[in-house]
Amino acid sequence: GAVVSQHPSWVICKSGTSVKIECRSLDFQATTMFWYRQFPKQSLMLMATSNEGSKATYEQGVEKDKFLINHASLTLSTLTVTSAHPEDSSFYICSARLVSGGSYEQYFGPGTRLTVT
Amino acid sequence: AQKVTQAQTEISVVEKEDVTLDCVYETRDTTYYLFWYKQPPSGELVFLIRRNSFDEQNEISGRYSWNFQKSTSSFNFTITASQVVDSAVYFCALSPLFLTGGGNKLTFGTGTQLKVEL
Repeated sequence: GAVVSQHPSWVICKSGTSVKIECRSLDFQATTMFWYRQFPKQSLMLMATSNEGSKATYEQGVEKDKFLINHASLTLSTLTVTSAHPEDSSFYICSARLVSGGSYEQYFGPGTRLTVT
Repeated sequence: AQKVTQAQTEISVVEKEDVTLDCVYETRDTTYYLFWYKQPPSGELVFLIRRNSFDEQNEISGRYSWNFQKSTSSFNFTITASQVVDSAVYFCALSPLFLTGGGNKLTFGTGTQLKVEL
């Protein structure tokens, strides 16, 4: 089956620093990837849609200058949390869309737990 | 706009009991996918099922079964003879059926925390 990885699986950083999270589709190409954020005991909220070779589309209320998304290849999308603050501490999950024969599947990564101290 | 409602925030059952998790959805799309995911404490989402809006047949997979009722916009999930390992948060989700330029976003419900005790 299709596999999506995320790196790192967890990260602790100091307030004011930036942290990059990688999302890779290991055995398929994904022109579209998605980034979600999940706060404790809450649902997954879509942050942005990442499109290979073009700018990401951000959901309302998500600061694009704070959450930089780069989808430079068909197998890699990165999310950089710039100038992180404790309120950015969350579980970040990516998914990658596999298109096949006019239909599609979405595969989720295992998530990255970010703690900002 | 799409919306998924999981009214049950938390359910506690004793092992071997049957339990049904409710999911009600709203969409203007005439064609769509419905999903159920399991999220154990590790956080990784586990895909359980995807149904398309054309197929209202109920589905059974082992101890799991799903009841899709288009007339009531519901897609309920039943676990028969629950086990402790079923303890997790379960999410219902909705997305467009066909490829869209917008990327086929998934809309998640708020989740139901299921606790199965001995």
